[in-house]
Amino acid sequence: TQLLEQSPQFLSIQEGENLTVYCNSSSVFSSLQWYRQEPGEGPVLLVTVVTGGEVKKLKRLTFQFGDARKDSSLHITAAQPGDTGLYLCAGEPDSSYKLIFGSGTRLLVRP
Amino acid sequence: DAGVTQSPTHLIKTRGQQVTLRCSPKSGHDTVSWYQQALGQGPQFIFQYYEEEERQRGNFPDRFSGHQFPNYSSELNVNALLLGDSALYLCASSLVGQEAYGYTFGSGTRLTVV
Repeated sequence: TQLLEQSPQFLSIQEGENLTVYCNSSSVFSSLQWYRQEPGEGPVLLVTVVTGGEVKKLKRLTFQFGDARKDSSLHITAAQPGDTGLYLCAGEPDSSYKLIFGSGTRLLVRP
Repeated sequence: DAGVTQSPTHLIKTRGQQVTLRCSPKSGHDTVSWYQQALGQGPQFIFQYYEEEERQRGNFPDRFSGHQFPNYSSELNVNALLLGDSALYLCASSLVGQEAYGYTFGSGTRLTVV
């Protein structure tokens, strides 16, 4: 069974602080996708990484795919209250059309 | 450009009943996937449809079935509802061959089984 372990589950930080969310697996993925989900809404795609070692930046968010394509991280610099939400990582296994989701990281950024 | 549209938004059913959820994919997309998201959990893959055929299925019982129509829209049917089927049901669409580049999700249907 392929699993994605996401940590931490909850994070409460002060505005301006930095944070990192981790996604780890023993399985290889052809892509690793990061989504953000607001209450009562569906997940919204933030970024997709497909190459081992790939780093992508989206304003204050930096996404990294591990060299072996088994793990990924999301780093937020100078967090803002607008970053509050549920962050989900999702891996697409090789030769598969399904996404395997982590259990999510619920982030609260306090003003 | 309309994204993924799901209906209804909320639904309350009694244990043992049957339910049909509907999804219209994003314009230009041709694959539709369905996910079940329990409270406090990440979504779990139910199945994906392409060219009106079930392309891949997750670990869900046969009570869960689906259909894709020629216009790419899709339905998820659940028979003999159990209390444990209460969840947010999400539909996601993509363009075939581009799945690795991400999916567009709808806002979901919140199903409550009582």
